[in-house]
Amino acid sequence: IQLTQSPSFLSASVGDRVTITCRASQALSSFLAWYQQKPGKAPKLLIYGASTLQSGVPSRFSGSGSGTEFTLTISSLQPEDFATYYCQQLKNYPYTFGQGTKLEIK
Amino acid sequence: QVQLVESGGGVVQPGRSLRLSCAASGFIFNTYGMNWVRQAPGKGLEWVAVISYDGNNKYYADSVKGRFTISRDNSQNTLYLQMNSLRAGDTAVYYCAREDLVVAPAATMYFDYWGQGTLVTVST
Repeated sequence: IQLTQSPSFLSASVGDRVTITCRASQALSSFLAWYQQKPGKAPKLLIYGASTLQSGVPSRFSGSGSGTEFTLTISSLQPEDFATYYCQQLKNYPYTFGQGTKLEIK
Repeated sequence: QVQLVESGGGVVQPGRSLRLSCAASGFIFNTYGMNWVRQAPGKGLEWVAVISYDGNNKYYADSVKGRFTISRDNSQNTLYLQMNSLRAGDTAVYYCAREDLVVAPAATMYFDYWGQGTLVTVST
């Protein structure tokens, strides 16, 4: 299953609302997760089951979608949110990741 | 607290072998599936392999099938990745990650804990 994230790069300001889209080549049901990765660090789970917020993740992060189209939304960007974001499908092997969306400070 | 600590990375020549380890603590290791994920320098995440909680089921990415072997020792709480016939394209940071499963309200899986990664460089 191929995952295509858009955009690949996103420039935004603190306080902005941003949305990242992940499109799958096949329907995923709820087998979709979102991760945040900062330089030199391991990925961190943000959202699983397409829309369930992982414990400890700020409520400004939210996920939605079903079938083949999913979105990650950050309601009000904070300085610590500037990072790269990946979606992942766990419906079928091989598990796959999107190519990533790098969120930069404008 | 859950901890995953990878080791075994280093510089290796093309065609040679390397074995990575991931020491787990803070959870009941033999009840979770475990994965390896890699990231080439400046690139995105690539899933490599998964092993079931009991070691009976294993799946691999096409890019490593036949060259890499995932295994686990539940008595030692350790995950392994045996990498043979290494190529330059295998150069990456290798992460181990725990896979959790929920069944309600809808079944899904996710990688909730990751190690810090170990760098493998394949070069002459």
